[in-house]
Amino acid sequence: DVKVTQSSRYLVKRTGEKVFLECVQDMDHENMFWYRQDPGLGLRLIYFSYDVKMKEKGDIPEGYSVSREKKERFSLILESASTNQTSMYLCASSLWLQPQHFGDGTRLSIL
Amino acid sequence: RKEVEQDPGPFNVPEGATVAFNCTYSNSASQSFFWYRQDCRKEPKLLMSVYSSGNEDGRFTAQLNRASQYISLLIRDSKLSDSATYLCVVNPSGSRLTFGEGTQLTVNP
Repeated sequence: DVKVTQSSRYLVKRTGEKVFLECVQDMDHENMFWYRQDPGLGLRLIYFSYDVKMKEKGDIPEGYSVSREKKERFSLILESASTNQTSMYLCASSLWLQPQHFGDGTRLSIL
Repeated sequence: RKEVEQDPGPFNVPEGATVAFNCTYSNSASQSFFWYRQDCRKEPKLLMSVYSSGNEDGRFTAQLNRASQYISLLIRDSKLSDSATYLCVVNPSGSRLTFGEGTQLTVNP
């Protein structure tokens, strides 16, 4: 079974902090994704990566950056956290053109 | 127009009922299609892929109509454990997926 592991289930940070969300997958998938999910808005793609050191903007990249130094790890960075970034963050991975597999999610609260 | 549109529901049905969810998508070049299931406060999980010829997995049947850009999911003999949000998912290009907002289903005893 594919295992996608997110570093924290719950996280509380303060406005202005730099926040790191980590995601690791164990199935050698080339594709990795970061989403946020908010009530009434569904899943929205923030960034994705097709390969090591490659990244592509999704639909809502503002205020975020990503890092993919190793194939199995994809990090999401909130450069200066703001209250409107309070959300559920979901990481996913996949092979090319195959369904995505999700981690458990991180509920992030920015105070 | 949203790329993927679903009836948000909620759908409330009794155990044993048959329920159908519909979904439309706007990008005619979309390559693959899926239904995901998401339980409350959990991550989405793949329920089934959707093929042009239609496909069935136990009590679940998925249909695709490319001409009408329409996808459906039929659940027969609903169980309490089917209560969840069902996400219609479309692959417009590459490995990106576009998710509908989901249809909430509650199966009542």
